[in-house]
This record gives sequence, structure tokens and C-alpha cells, in this order.
Amino acid sequence: DSGVTQTPKHLITATGQRVTLRCSPRSGDLSVYWYQQSLDQGLQFLIQYYNGEERAKGNILERFSAQQFPDLHSELNLSSLELGDSALYFCASSVDGTPPDEQFFGPGTRLTVL
Amino acid sequence: AQTVTQSQPEMSVQEAETVTLSCTYDTSESDYYLFWYKQPPSRQMILVIRQEAYKQQNATENRFSVNFQKAAKSFSLKISDSQLGDAAMYFCASIIQGAQKLVFGQGTRLTINP
Repeated sequence: DSGVTQTPKHLITATGQRVTLRCSPRSGDLSVYWYQQSLDQGLQFLIQYYNGEERAKGNILERFSAQQFPDLHSELNLSSLELGDSALYFCASSVDGTPPDEQFFGPGTRLTVL
Repeated sequence: AQTVTQSQPEMSVQEAETVTLSCTYDTSESDYYLFWYKQPPSRQMILVIRQEAYKQQNATENRFSVNFQKAAKSFSLKISDSQLGDAAMYFCASIIQGAQKLVFGQGTRLTINP
């Protein structure tokens, strides 16, 4: 158990819908990262937050957005969902968000878009 | 740009034997870090071993060791005395100093034959 929690574990929804994935970092970690793991794209970095502020952006679609709240939990919002958004979404956290900080991964949320 | 390549989609080894997983990377940066992550069927991403680029000595963690060839930009993982619990997807990843995102390879699926 990494100490990072993600809810829900599984999510099944339809095209065009909007979902919210939630992540709680390890106690004491200020930085949260979101990654997407899909069959065709592999593991890709989406976005990083540090202490409530966006720090880095990767291959995140405009239909996707995220935020980190004052209690440091983070939410990833996915809207206008398409079949290709079906993937495993990981949240990771680290102490201060700067290498060589280790990123601890949560168990992931499996999103299925039908 | 930062890239990581794993050329072996699948590998198999007999229990108690030794196996080596290959990884090559490309970066123009001089300060970076390399990692091997394990993803068992549970889908949890688990850090196996890490290597700082500035360190010449190869990292070792119990039965896991790396062969870091900086000039060749190669970073292979050796698993000694393979156990059934080692069966998983293994991902090589890199991160450069000052950046926030882990860049992953495509993964190698390791099967342990009893």
C-alpha cells in the first residue's frame, strides 16, 4: 500500500458524459501527478500540481481538467468522453515535486467508456 | 526530447534463474534519474529500483540490480533467483532534473515458469 488513495476503483460510463476521478496523496506529500495508461498510448503524464498550483502539463486534452484543493486532494475531470478515453488513470504523489523525489502511485481508476 | 525504449515486449524465465530486461533512453540533459517500475496483475505501480545518472556505481536492491551504461544510454534490469511473484509488467522510466514528469517505456511482460 503506497498510501495514495484513488476513488472510484472502476467507472463505467457512456460517450459524451463527464466524470470526476479523485485522489488523496500520502500524508505530507504536497505534489500530485496524474498519468493515463492506455493500450495504444502506454503510460503518459497528464498534469502535476504542487500545493494547489499547477506546475507542469503533459499530454492532457482540453476536455480534461484537474485541480488540487487546500486539503491537497486532487480531482481529474474528464468531459465529453470518447471511447478512446477508456484507460487506467493513475494518481501519484511526492513530497515536494522535484526529482529525485520518489513518486508513489495509487491503485488507479479504471475508466470504461461505452 | 526525452524518450525511453524497451525493445522486449515479452520475456520468460524459469523460476530460480536470472533474467535481464533491456532499456535504452535518450536525453540531452546531463542530470537525470532512471527507474524500473513493476506492475503486477493488481495494476499497482511499484518502484523496484532507481539510479542517479551522476552515480557510476550500479544500483542494487536485493535480487534486483541494474547495468547502467551512461555512454550507451542503456539501463538494463537484472533479476536474480527469479520468483513466481516477480511475474509482472516492468516499465523503465526516466525523469530529468528540473522536470516533473516521468517518461515511461512501453513495458516488458515477464513470465516466470515454475
